[in-house]
Amino acid sequence: KQEVTQIPAALSVPEGENLVLNCSFTDSAIYNLQWFRQDPGKGLTSLLLIQSSQREQTSGRLNASLDKSSGRSTLYIAASQPGDSATYLCAVITGGFKTIFGAGTRLFVKA
Amino acid sequence: NAGVTQTPKFQVLKTGQSMTLQCAQDMNHNSMYWYRQDPGMGLRLIYYSASEGTTDKGEVPNGYNVSRLNKREFSLRLESAAPSQTSVYFCASIRTSGGADTQYFGPGTRLTVL
Repeated sequence: KQEVTQIPAALSVPEGENLVLNCSFTDSAIYNLQWFRQDPGKGLTSLLLIQSSQREQTSGRLNASLDKSSGRSTLYIAASQPGDSATYLCAVITGGFKTIFGAGTRLFVKA
Repeated sequence: NAGVTQTPKFQVLKTGQSMTLQCAQDMNHNSMYWYRQDPGMGLRLIYYSASEGTTDKGEVPNGYNVSRLNKREFSLRLESAAPSQTSVYFCASIRTSGGADTQYFGPGTRLTVL
């Protein structure tokens, strides 16, 4: 059974710091991996999607990497800002339309 | 272009009552999902619909039924609500492009069962 773990559960950093969020999964037979952002009381917003054949994706200050063999993905946020404060979720998409989410990392960026 | 809309935004039910959560998307996507989100557990898939007229069980389907009314609409029904169904419910539709399935989420329905 696929399990997705995100570490740390919460993170507080000063503004301007570069940071890395981690996501690990137990079964390397994945279709895609997607990173989301969730603001309090809101739905999820897609940040980056990495297909199983890809190693990384970039969007602005965000860079996501994927290492299927080790069951790991990282989300790198450069020059963090207070507006980046949110919960970040990773989701593994397996065959058969199944999506398994991690519990998320709650990020707080201090001004 | 509203994306994915959900109604209602909030609902309080008594144990044993029934209700239907509505979801609609205007992006012409074939696939739609229903999730529930509980503290510390991430999102769990309840049911999904790969295309109009088809539905399948996800990870936690017990106590729920779904209807894919047409391509736009996918509803979730609780026939006899239980306190364990207190949660935030999210609907998502999926854009498939070149092997990449990107999920777009609605704003959620916050349900409390007393």
